[in-house]
Amino acid sequence: GAGVSQSPSNKVTEKGKDVELRCDPISGHTALYWYRQSLGQGLEFLIYFQGNSAPDKSGLPSDRFSAERTGGSVSTLTIQRTQQEDSAVYLCASSLDWGRTIQYFGAGTRLSVL
Amino acid sequence: GIQVEQSPPDLILQEGANSTLRCNFSDSVNNLQWFHQNPWGQLINLFYIPSGTKQNGRLSATTVATERYSLLYISSSQTTDSGVYFCAAPHGSGNTGKLIFGQGTTLQVKP
Repeated sequence: GAGVSQSPSNKVTEKGKDVELRCDPISGHTALYWYRQSLGQGLEFLIYFQGNSAPDKSGLPSDRFSAERTGGSVSTLTIQRTQQEDSAVYLCASSLDWGRTIQYFGAGTRLSVL
Repeated sequence: GIQVEQSPPDLILQEGANSTLRCNFSDSVNNLQWFHQNPWGQLINLFYIPSGTKQNGRLSATTVATERYSLLYISSSQTTDSGVYFCAAPHGSGNTGKLIFGQGTTLQVKP
């Protein structure tokens, strides 16, 4: 596609529910990244994929968070048993490959946990 | 991991003024990027500049890798330049796309 696409743009959920956030990277980009932007916390790195592989999951905040990527394209970030502290904007980015290349960001998913 | 610090945290300008934003990083880098986050939250990549100087219209950036800092220059500022400016550098040595972001500089340009 022309840019990185994320859906939904907004998600309101109740505490304890599971949510899935989707990212569709730029066509041909092999690397995909998830970041989280919280008030007062800035932008923090969560996880990256090179192809369908996620070599470094250390940025995921807890074991309630998981992510997968299929076909070297679409990625899903899943948060189980959401908590209020999960409220944030979740941003996805993609780049031609891992490393020294420009990252292009999607518009983000604003998650609100009530 | 690397520390990334930006200054100033906030900046208010009158339209037409020039400004310089600074980004200090604690370790050598091979990947330094500047972003603009507009008031709608969209992050736009401005520069990929691990070293040297680049210019794009009214914006330019310089990275002095040996001294571990980068500068973003905005000339003849416009109200559309308002938003938050972030610099980001990789977490560790080697080729890495795991970017660590500074806390940002919030710019407000008044008409």
